[in-house]
Amino acid sequence: AQSVTQLGSHVSVSEGALVLLRCNYSSSVPPYLFWYVQYPNQGLQLLLKYTSAATLVKGINGFEAEFKKSETSFHLTKPSAHMSDAAEYFCAVSDRGGKLIFGQGTELSVKP
Amino acid sequence: DGGITQSPKYLFRKEGQNVTLSCEQNLNHDAMYWYRQDPGQGLRLIYYSQIVNDFQKGDIAEGYSVSREKKESFPLTVTSAQKNPTAFYLCATDGRQGLSTEAFFGQGTRLTVV
Repeated sequence: AQSVTQLGSHVSVSEGALVLLRCNYSSSVPPYLFWYVQYPNQGLQLLLKYTSAATLVKGINGFEAEFKKSETSFHLTKPSAHMSDAAEYFCAVSDRGGKLIFGQGTELSVKP
Repeated sequence: DGGITQSPKYLFRKEGQNVTLSCEQNLNHDAMYWYRQDPGQGLRLIYYSQIVNDFQKGDIAEGYSVSREKKESFPLTVTSAQKNPTAFYLCATDGRQGLSTEAFFGQGTRLTVV
């Protein structure tokens, strides 16, 4: 069975600081991994995805994530936080059959 | 404009009432999904359909029903058997290209029991 654990339900950073959102996964097959962002009362938007090509994946809005098989991790980073990055972020894993298993989400706050 | 349209955006249901949430897509995607979102619990899969006239239960299907009579449409009915229906409901499609997959989401419907 697949599962996703996001460490920290709330993360707060100052504007301009590094953003690090943690995600660990469990999968019995080589996984596809995703990060989505959600703004209040809206749907989810794909930030980036890993599908067994390069282990360092670059996404939109300056975000990137690194797939580390030995650590079963797929942490999301951004070098410099912007106020507009405040949102909820979801890590998800797919067994390549299309269904996504989501983590519980991490709410990112950005302080001026 | 290509995308996924969920309606209504806000819905209020009385106790014991069935309500239907609409999801329409013009992306020509085969697979469609319904997720339920509750604070602190992420998204949980209710039902999914990979082809017209076929659908499968997800992890929390009890109290819900769906149909897939057309490729473009995947409505979700929240029945009176669902004891705690207040939540944010998200419809998604799967833009599969070969082995690669990516889910596209609608803007959601917030259902409240009054």
